Amino acid sequence: NAGVTQTPKFRVLKTGQSMTLLCAQDMNHEYMYWYRQDPGMGLRLIHYSVGEGTTAKGEVPDGYNVSRLKKQNFLLGLESAAPSQTSVYFCASRPDQQGARSNEKLFFGSGTQLSVL
Amino acid sequence: AQSVTQLDSHVSVSEGTPVLLRCNYSSSYSPSLFWYVQHPNKGLQLLLKYTSAATLVKGINGFEAEFKKSETSFHLTKPSAHMSDAAEYFCVVSASWRDDKIIFGKGTRLHILP
Repeated sequence: NAGVTQTPKFRVLKTGQSMTLLCAQDMNHEYMYWYRQDPGMGLRLIHYSVGEGTTAKGEVPDGYNVSRLKKQNFLLGLESAAPSQTSVYFCASRPDQQGARSNEKLFFGSGTQLSVL
Repeated sequence: AQSVTQLDSHVSVSEGTPVLLRCNYSSSYSPSLFWYVQHPNKGLQLLLKYTSAATLVKGINGFEAEFKKSETSFHLTKPSAHMSDAAEYFCVVSASWRDDKIIFGKGTRLHILP
């Protein structure tokens, strides 16, 4: 059981280049999240999805786009990378609770370390 | 909207002494609250969660947290620190099913002195 898989694990980009980070989960979870982690800033929510075909903005969505065409995949895109997007990116998922309190823990991927030069 | 404030960016305690990591939250609805831990170069692990049952929540590795609605706090404690507790701790808030955002605090780095 793989859980949440992120690819790639490491990437170096030049300013202005584009790339897509892939998050795949095999637990049939409804909710998926993209966070970035920077020193002293904790994890900040970029975008999230509450189900296939849906996406919503988080705390820091500018410069990123996402898509959830299939329930198991959540893609994070950088159209024109900037040095400020150098960070560690985490994907997470959790199951739906049919309208009940969202008390389920998040399942995290192992992270993608992105450097933008 | 919800938010969470971790009041200390760094906490240092001696091994064998109590640990207190402070967290205050803001939420428009009754929140779910969590504490996660991240050891150096490791992933995030759930320590404990509050979901409107008992206000005193026990977690793994001897940690516990108390939900205080009147103070909008969810502080994390442990009676006796161990060297292996050195890590970064995150307080997390989720404002029920009406808002699916899950928001992390900025983290508290716990240092354990021998």
